[in-house]
Amino acid sequence: AQSVTQLDSHVSVSEGTPVLLRCNYSSSYSPSLFWYVQHPNKGLQLLLKYTSAATLVKGINGFEAEFKKSETSFHLTKPSAHMSDAAEYFCVVSSGTYKYIFGTGTRLKVLA
Amino acid sequence: ETGVTQTPRHLVMGMTNKKSLKCEQHLGHNAMYWYKQSAKKPLELMFVYSLEERVENNSVPSRFSPECPNSSHLFLHLHTLQPEDSALYLCASSQDATGDFSSTDTQYFGPGTRLTVL
Repeated sequence: AQSVTQLDSHVSVSEGTPVLLRCNYSSSYSPSLFWYVQHPNKGLQLLLKYTSAATLVKGINGFEAEFKKSETSFHLTKPSAHMSDAAEYFCVVSSGTYKYIFGTGTRLKVLA
Repeated sequence: ETGVTQTPRHLVMGMTNKKSLKCEQHLGHNAMYWYKQSAKKPLELMFVYSLEERVENNSVPSRFSPECPNSSHLFLHLHTLQPEDSALYLCASSQDATGDFSSTDTQYFGPGTRLTVL
């Protein structure tokens, strides 16, 4: 069975400092992993996805994530936070069919 | 219009009303989804359609009735809802290229309909 755990429900960073949002997954086979972002009163926007190609995945808006099989992790990072990055971030593992397994979300706050 | 659109964006209804949510995708996809997003809970998959046929009904109460008249449109018909049904309802679409879904298929989401049941 697949599952995903987002280790922090809230993260606060200062503008211009690095962002790290942590995600661990469990999968019985090689998974596909996704990060989505949701701004207030908006739908989910795809940031990036991993599908067994390069382990370091670059996404939109300067975000990237590294797939580490030995650690079963897929953490999301960005070198320098912007105020516009304040949102909720969801880590998702795909179960091999149409079923996305969503994490509970990490709310990112960016301080001026 | 591009991507996935949903109307209305906000809806307030009484428990005895009947209303419908509409989703339209402009991506040429062949699979569409309804999700429920409640506060403090992970997103819940409600229904999945592939090529206009329902492939998933995730133990959703019968007061929610989906309809997929073609691959571009998806409706969620609502009747006699309960206050606990208040949530953000998200529509998504994907391209099921292999015909049997793939873990690499990417779902694209609409902005959602914020539903409040009084």
